[in-house]
Amino acid sequence: KAGVTQTPRYLIKTRGQQVTLSCSPISGHRSVSWYQQTPGQGLQFLFEYFSETQRNKGNFPGRFSGRQFSNSRSEMNVSTLELGDSALYLCASSLAPTGLSGNTIYFGEGSWLTVV
Amino acid sequence: AQSVTQPDIHITVSEGASLELRCNYSYGATPYLFWYVQSPGQGLQLLLKYFSGDTLVQGIKGFEAEFKRSQSSFNLRKPSVHWSDAAEYFCAVVLIKAAGNKLTFGGGTRVLVKP
Repeated sequence: KAGVTQTPRYLIKTRGQQVTLSCSPISGHRSVSWYQQTPGQGLQFLFEYFSETQRNKGNFPGRFSGRQFSNSRSEMNVSTLELGDSALYLCASSLAPTGLSGNTIYFGEGSWLTVV
Repeated sequence: AQSVTQPDIHITVSEGASLELRCNYSYGATPYLFWYVQSPGQGLQLLLKYFSGDTLVQGIKGFEAEFKRSQSSFNLRKPSVHWSDAAEYFCAVVLIKAAGNKLTFGGGTRVLVKP
């Protein structure tokens, strides 16, 4: 069974541009969450989607947005990129929404974004 | 405040020696707890999880962790470390909040294995 798949794995963007990252969850999983990982801030929660609905959002500016499709695949978008957006963006999937007992959360390999 | 603390930023251990990584959480209710490992340039791999029941949980790669409610801890252990265990380890807890649930991570512990 395939794991969480994220594309692209690596990308370089220029300040002011926008970027879209994609995540395909494990087959059958309907919850997708996104995290940003930086050396200074560690792992920070961006948002979670379940059945195409955003369930929770972290403390990030409105430039960060996401969506989930009917097949549970998810995309996140960052507009007007800043240098500080350079990070590893991790996607996680689970069967159910975060917070249910027994709901294991699995992560992908991440998308490395460099903003120059 | 509800948080996860990993007191040790770096740990160096000799190959074959035992390893214990500390994790403390601050949370009012029974937590759901996870340990993940991250090799350089890679994503997070789940080592083990605790939801309820037996407080000693077994994971992959020979790791185990013990949930101690009285100490608000969920320490990760391995009896004999291999060079391939060099990586960064993250403890995480699911926070149940009215505004929305989320998985919250500790700062991580980087493990270096000496030959």
